[in-house]
Amino acid sequence: DVKVTQSSRYLVKRTGEKVFLECVQDMDHENMFWYRQDPGLGLRLIYFSYDVKMKEKGDIPEGYSVSREKKERFSLILESASTNQTSMYLCASSYPMYPDGELFFGSGTQLSVL
Amino acid sequence: GQQLNQSPQSMFIQEGEDVSMNCTSSSIFNTWLWYKQDPGEGPVLLIALYKAGELTSNGRLTAQFGITRKDSFLNISASIPSDVGIYFCAGTSFYSGSARQLTFGSGTQLTVLP
Repeated sequence: DVKVTQSSRYLVKRTGEKVFLECVQDMDHENMFWYRQDPGLGLRLIYFSYDVKMKEKGDIPEGYSVSREKKERFSLILESASTNQTSMYLCASSYPMYPDGELFFGSGTQLSVL
Repeated sequence: GQQLNQSPQSMFIQEGEDVSMNCTSSSIFNTWLWYKQDPGEGPVLLIALYKAGELTSNGRLTAQFGITRKDSFLNISASIPSDVGIYFCAGTSFYSGSARQLTFGSGTQLTVLP
């Protein structure tokens, strides 16, 4: 079974802190994604990566950065966390035939910024 | 990014009833997918549609890719308690910023009452 693992299920951080969300996939997928999920807004793409060290901005990249140093790991970084970044964050990966392929999601990280 | 209008936003139904939800767009989509998110988990792909007019079933689930390429529906027959969750439509359009991006609807929260 494909497994996408997010390092934390719940995180509580303070405004201004630097926050790292980690994601690891075990299926050798080229493509990896970070989404945030907010009630009534669905899933919105923050960043995605189609290869090691490659990244592209999604629809809402402001306030975020990413890092992909190894194929299996994709990190989301909040340089200076703000309260409006309180949300559920979902990592996903896919085969190279995306978007015709399937996205495999992790279980999510619920981030609260106080 | 492109907008998908998903309705209804939430549904409360009795066990055994049939369910219908749909997604519409003002622009043409060339792929439609339906995902389900169980409580506390990431979304999982239910059905993928790649051709206008295509009707596809997966057990009690049936989905169709609209002839106009601007809509899709998902039906669930004879609902059971484990159908509870959030259902998302998603699609790719010719106007996506990148072929690697999916646009997600805002989700339909389904509650099944015993």
